[in-house]
Amino acid sequence: DADVTQTPRNRITKTGKRIMLECSQTKGHDRMYWYRQDPGLGLRLIYYSFDVKDINKGEISDGYSVSRQAQAKFSLSLESAIPNQTALYFCAAAGTGNTDTQYFGPGTRLTVL
Amino acid sequence: QKEVEQNSGPLSVPEGAIASLNCTYSDRGSQSFFWYRQYSGKSPELIMSIYSNGDKEDGRFTAQLNKASQYVSLLIRDSQPSDSATYLCAVKAGGYNKLIFGAGTRLAVHP
Repeated sequence: DADVTQTPRNRITKTGKRIMLECSQTKGHDRMYWYRQDPGLGLRLIYYSFDVKDINKGEISDGYSVSRQAQAKFSLSLESAIPNQTALYFCAAAGTGNTDTQYFGPGTRLTVL
Repeated sequence: QKEVEQNSGPLSVPEGAIASLNCTYSDRGSQSFFWYRQYSGKSPELIMSIYSNGDKEDGRFTAQLNKASQYVSLLIRDSQPSDSATYLCAVKAGGYNKLIFGAGTRLAVHP
């Protein structure tokens, strides 16, 4: 039973399209994160949220927006997708038990043509 | 800019050997350190966390932390081909639960 789920798992889209990636978690974690991963660059933080009313930019937030619809849901939007946003996107959650540990979803592979 | 540095590898070791993975970090105030394993195309999976100077052992894995020298390492004893993956070092930055990740070290264990 996965703690963190992401939809879709794969998405191919065209330049200029609006895309939403969704993340849900079932363990009551209060903190949620969105990362992107590119080959050789590791994980880079896009946005993070500590509760429904708290949204913070990460190191690479330009071109992205997020919404924390509920404690369990955190979605990432690309308002106008561009090819250099092609990457693997991960959602993570933390906060229950050991609050430092982040648990990752399975990832969404996004391709922008 | 707070940084976490890892050798990208690949680190190639024979089956049964000890694999040693290293990580250095720039923020002297960091208090929490993590090692994640990531198989190709999959999500990162937590292996170890360490908070105090010294060694922490969990099965075949040992994490070592030296805050004075600002490095953290992961030893994998009796390496198996199934250990072949990328290992990500992560360091908690600032007062919030925000992790800074290294780019990862690719480990290849050959039979």
